[in-house]
Amino acid sequence: DAGVIQSPRHEVTEMGQEVTLRCKPISGHDYLFWYRQTMMRGLELLIYFNNNVPIDDSGMPEDRFSAKMPNASFSTLKIQPSEPRDSAVYFCASSPQDRGFEKLFFGSGTQLSVL
Amino acid sequence: AQKITQTQPGMFVQEKEAVTLDCTYDTSDPSYGLFWYKQPSSGEMIFLIYQGSYDQQNATEGRYSLNFQKARKSANLVISASQLGDSAMYFCAMAVAGKSTFGDGTTLTVKP
Repeated sequence: DAGVIQSPRHEVTEMGQEVTLRCKPISGHDYLFWYRQTMMRGLELLIYFNNNVPIDDSGMPEDRFSAKMPNASFSTLKIQPSEPRDSAVYFCASSPQDRGFEKLFFGSGTQLSVL
Repeated sequence: AQKITQTQPGMFVQEKEAVTLDCTYDTSDPSYGLFWYKQPSSGEMIFLIYQGSYDQQNATEGRYSLNFQKARKSANLVISASQLGDSAMYFCAMAVAGKSTFGDGTTLTVKP
């Protein structure tokens, strides 16, 4: 089992540019989560999907952020345009959620730096 | 709304001693799961232990145990026989209806 795969591991971009983060969940997992981690705000849930359908996007900071899950094996988180305050580690996680509360399997994260 | 509170930003423990990391939670849902994750300096998130709201016994996983006090809404993590490799950030989390909420974390430093 390859685990949750995120790419890229590191992304450095300039303010105003579009950034796309990618995630491949563990096969068979029904839930996919996007988290953002910063020193100031800790781990924030941005959005999560169940069977490719967005369930709760109340954590998405603003309209510059969008997330898609076109199929069970792929999701993207896009920031357009990016700003320096978006600099953070972005984690993708997946879960089988058989009971509604299963442990999360995290990817290695994407370290985003917006200059 | 669900809320997780970790009141200890940092903790120190001597190697080979036990340490307790505090976690309190708040939810009105009777069905939930409580988790602890470890994040070492390398950044990955590692699952440690799980406790279900209906579980009668406290969960244990090797040197980790979860002191679950439902009436007090607390789910403290106990690490026995601390090792230098236990130095990391520890997060308490609660999952309700598919959604996981994390506390702010506790940084544990194990002293030799």
